[in-house]
Amino acid sequence: GAGVSQSPSNKVTEKGKDVELRCDPISGHTALYWYRQSLGQGLEFLIYFQGNSAPDKSGLPSDRFSAERTGGSVSTLTIQRTQQEDSAVYLCASSLVQRTVGTEAFFGQGTRLTVV
Amino acid sequence: GENVEQHPSTLSVQEGDSAVIKCTYSDSASNYFPWYKQELGKRPQLIIDIRSNVGEKKDQRIAVTLNKTAKHFSLHITETQPEDSAVYFCAASIGQAGTALIFGKGTTLSVSS
Repeated sequence: GAGVSQSPSNKVTEKGKDVELRCDPISGHTALYWYRQSLGQGLEFLIYFQGNSAPDKSGLPSDRFSAERTGGSVSTLTIQRTQQEDSAVYLCASSLVQRTVGTEAFFGQGTRLTVV
Repeated sequence: GENVEQHPSTLSVQEGDSAVIKCTYSDSASNYFPWYKQELGKRPQLIIDIRSNVGEKKDQRIAVTLNKTAKHFSLHITETQPEDSAVYFCAASIGQAGTALIFGKGTTLSVSS
């Protein structure tokens, strides 16, 4: 696609339910990132994929959070047993990585998650 | 873990003044330092970036400087305009893969006319 696409754009869920957030990166981008942005706050790093593997999962806040990426493309972020503090905008970004040199990351429009 | 510190958290300037935002990073292997601008309700977008083999880069009213020894880098905006008002994030590439981007907590810049 032309840019990073995330779905859904908005999600309201009841406390305790599981949610899945989807990210479609730019075609050919090997690196994929998930960040969380609470209202008026910064970009909290969650997880990073290089291809299908996740060399850095250090940002996942708890074991209720997991992410996977298949086929080196689409990624899903799953939050189990959602809590109200999970409410935030979840941003996905992708970049064309050249060996070990960082490159520009392009962001999706985000998924606004509200846990009620 | 590796982190990026950004200061100040808020910055208010008069139109036409300069604005400077500073960041420090902890991973000496970091090789890429982008700056993103996020307008209200929009996604972050890259405005300028610098690599570790360069000390300074300019693009019109925006410049970034990098001091690898001290592990800090700065964003300079000259002749600020109201449309520069936004949240600015610095980032550094970290990790063994050298490419995971860790962001600072952001600076809210307000330019008043």
